[in-house]
Amino acid sequence: DGGITQSPKYLFRKEGQNVTLSCEQNLNHDAMYWYRQDPGQGLRLIYYSQIVNDFQKGDIAEGYSVSREKKESFPLTVTSAQKNPTAFYLCASSHNGAGVDPFAFFGQGTRLTVV
Amino acid sequence: ELKVEQNPLFLSMQEGKNYTIYCNYSTTSDRLYWYRQDPGKSLESLFVLLSNGAVKQEGRLMASLDTKARLSTLHITAAVHDLSATYFCAVEVYGGSQGNLIFGKGTKLSVKP
Repeated sequence: DGGITQSPKYLFRKEGQNVTLSCEQNLNHDAMYWYRQDPGQGLRLIYYSQIVNDFQKGDIAEGYSVSREKKESFPLTVTSAQKNPTAFYLCASSHNGAGVDPFAFFGQGTRLTVV
Repeated sequence: ELKVEQNPLFLSMQEGKNYTIYCNYSTTSDRLYWYRQDPGKSLESLFVLLSNGAVKQEGRLMASLDTKARLSTLHITAAVHDLSATYFCAVEVYGGSQGNLIFGKGTKLSVKP
């Protein structure tokens, strides 16, 4: 079955530590996105990528980094520069271009907590 | 900059009643999505609307799109408790400087007996 998989589901980070969240999709989608959601809030875009080896900053990219070496994978690293990383992180993917399977799908999310 | 505004942000309604959630956006778009989110969970795709006048229905939910007015609506018919969740609309724009999904802030729906 096609889908988008995030791991881990829960992640704990110590102060000053970098952590990487995984996002893998087998939907053959071109575009992938990372969003952050704080409790009771909407979604804010961190980074997005429309093609392999290319990505763009979203609204809140500071303290985060990404890579897109493969079409299927778009990992997000939360660096020590991100001072308030506790949040729910969601990865999504979609096709670029009209006329093809239009849905943007989301992974199940990673809940990151600073300890 | 593309902006997406939903209203209301909070909606408390009784079972059996009808209501509409509104989603306004500020520029032309290629696709408009509606999602549902249950507490602590990810987003579930409900509808995608691709063209002016598009209408999609699933159970007690019906979504429509007016691209000229830059407005989408999510209409709830005869609400039941199971519809309690947060509903998001999102607009997707290709080729622009943003090139991504832009979300509204969400409408938290609570259906009471």
